[in-house]
Amino acid sequence: GESVGLHLPTLSVQEGDNSIINCAYSNSASDYFIWYKQESGKGPQFIIDIRSNMDKRQGQRVTVLLNKTVKHLSLQIAATQPGDSAVYFCAESRSGGYQKVTFGIGTKLQVIP
Amino acid sequence: DTAVSQTPKYLVTQMGNDKSIKCEQNLGHDTMYWYKQDSKKFLKIMFSYNNKELIINETVPNRFSPKSPDKAHLNLHINSLELGDSAVYFCASSQERAGGRIGELFFGEGSRLTVL
Repeated sequence: GESVGLHLPTLSVQEGDNSIINCAYSNSASDYFIWYKQESGKGPQFIIDIRSNMDKRQGQRVTVLLNKTVKHLSLQIAATQPGDSAVYFCAESRSGGYQKVTFGIGTKLQVIP
Repeated sequence: DTAVSQTPKYLVTQMGNDKSIKCEQNLGHDTMYWYKQDSKKFLKIMFSYNNKELIINETVPNRFSPKSPDKAHLNLHINSLELGDSAVYFCASSQERAGGRIGELFFGEGSRLTVL
């Protein structure tokens, strides 16, 4: 079936380094891609999104890259901080009609002080 | 004020029992959802309601029955609980129309259900 998945289940990064979390998707009909952050004991929280007609979008310390040719999505976090430790999910949705947000497998980011 | 609140936060019960989880959002959103997160953190959509109308019903056993008395509330009732129902259930809301960002869901803090 159609799915959104991640390459790495766990990523350990030194504090201050940059983090890159990757995601592969298979649904060509998706036109919105989203990253969520889930801290321990909490619900997922929206971080940043990108539309399929873009290949890069920047936020505060985060950048999302989209490569539609290989159906690959990545989240880059600059100068990773302890507060960035969480599980990160990529997700996809479609414009038009009622939205259905489908989540991929999470990646746990561990920041080493 | 909590934007999306769900109760109870923890629920421990025996197999075969019936239980309910309640959800309320004060964001004025028109769409609400139930997601199930398993022990491997995989999040799967179960139901979605828009203005009290069921719009998404994934392949969920009919032991699960959502109810939306108004657009600010979405409850989940589960009959004849099974061991495999143990999970964290998340309620979420979004603004489907006029000004809502596509794909942006606002989640509650989850209700951890343990079936013994």
